[in-house]
Amino acid sequence: EIVLTQSPGTLSLSPGERATLSCRASQSVSSSSLAWYQQKPGQAPRLLIYGASSRATGIPDRFSGSGSGTDFTLTISRLEPADCAVYYCQQYGSSPPTFGQGTKVEIK
Amino acid sequence: EVQLVESGGGLVKPGGSLRLSCAASGFTFSNAWMSWVRQAPGKGLEWVGRIKSKTDGGTTDYAAPVKGRFTISRDDSKNTLYLQMNSLKTDDTAVYYCVTLRKWELLFFYWGQGTLVTVSS
Repeated sequence: EIVLTQSPGTLSLSPGERATLSCRASQSVSSSSLAWYQQKPGQAPRLLIYGASSRATGIPDRFSGSGSGTDFTLTISRLEPADCAVYYCQQYGSSPPTFGQGTKVEIK
Repeated sequence: EVQLVESGGGLVKPGGSLRLSCAASGFTFSNAWMSWVRQAPGKGLEWVGRIKSKTDGGTTDYAAPVKGRFTISRDDSKNTLYLQMNSLKTDDTAVYYCVTLRKWELLFFYWGQGTLVTVSS
């Protein structure tokens, strides 16, 4: 199975700053089948990005995804307090689908 | 609006069984591919299994840790998804989420709020 490694483990930034989250796969993710999810404390995850760079319905354009092959990035421009959450990457190009361990974004 | 409401969680002893339900609304459930994803307390996300729509064969797939112990089924007349869990282990302790899939892909679109299953003696 494909192992996804996210970095950093925790990101602490001020409102208005840019957050860059990394997701590295142990082997190439086919067809850029890479998604990002946001999970706020006490809530279910929410789909943010799929196909490496397509935003899900209702997701603001402050969230953007990029990458291909084994290296993917989620960028949150202009951080807001509501962005405080854990962000997970997930590959769905091969079975079983697998998730990264998550990056926690804290707002100073 | 898509709504997924899980129920049936609780405390069960190791070796016991439990059945979770997920009531779906806001979309055509009979056409949907569905999945269960779990999250152990303070941990990350883990795929449990998937069921296709009946028109696409209705077949199921499972993650290795639960294969042979868990069974996913659906009742399209009730718009309800089920997860039958047998031979439960302490490692199965988690919040279980019901999730919609994009057809032919294990991409998780809409999530329920989850139900907690605790396996402990």
